[in-house]
Amino acid sequence: DGGITQSPKYLFRKEGQNVTLSCEQNLNHDAMYWYRQDPGQGLRLIYYSQIVNDFQKGDIAEGYSVSREKKESFPLTVTSAQKNPTAFYLCASSINRASTDTQYFGPGTRLTVL
Amino acid sequence: KNQVEQSPQSLIILEGKNCTLQCNYTVSPFSNLRWYKQDTGRGPVSLTIMTFSENTKSNGRYTATLDADTKQSSLHITASQLSDSASYICVVSAQTSYDKVIFGPGTSLSVIP
Repeated sequence: DGGITQSPKYLFRKEGQNVTLSCEQNLNHDAMYWYRQDPGQGLRLIYYSQIVNDFQKGDIAEGYSVSREKKESFPLTVTSAQKNPTAFYLCASSINRASTDTQYFGPGTRLTVL
Repeated sequence: KNQVEQSPQSLIILEGKNCTLQCNYTVSPFSNLRWYKQDTGRGPVSLTIMTFSENTKSNGRYTATLDADTKQSSLHITASQLSDSASYICVVSAQTSYDKVIFGPGTSLSVIP
């Protein structure tokens, strides 16, 4: 079953804790992205990576960190510095960074801070 | 400021009926416009993509139109099915030093029997 996977589907966190969201793809895509989705708003870009060992901040990177040690994997850590982390998080990948390349999205992780 | 607006915010239609969703944008310089379908609790899936020179693009019962002069796009759904119930997101890309992608807030469509 090819595609992009995210885990876990649901995640609960206590205030002050860091949590890591997993994103894996077997599409052999170079570019990967993390988005945050809040009700009534468009997806907002947190971080993106165009190639292994390289990543760039998106529009709302504060309180988040990422790594890209392998082409297939792009985990996102939500740190305690993120003031309002409760949201639906989507990971995506594309052949490369060009906007004409289709972004393929994972099923998402819903993070709730208790 | 690069923005994408969509209307209506939500829509309820009877199964078998047609509907049209609207997208207005102020993104510049324009590169392309894409419509995504997002089922509840899932990731978005691309339906169509249109560049500046394309006026219309179809994907089965979905037909997207683009008027680059007025910066408007529409997504027409024909003979709606219950499985069309989803959020439809308009996404516009700007051709800058790097491709800037702006997502609209989406239109929530409910198809009822």
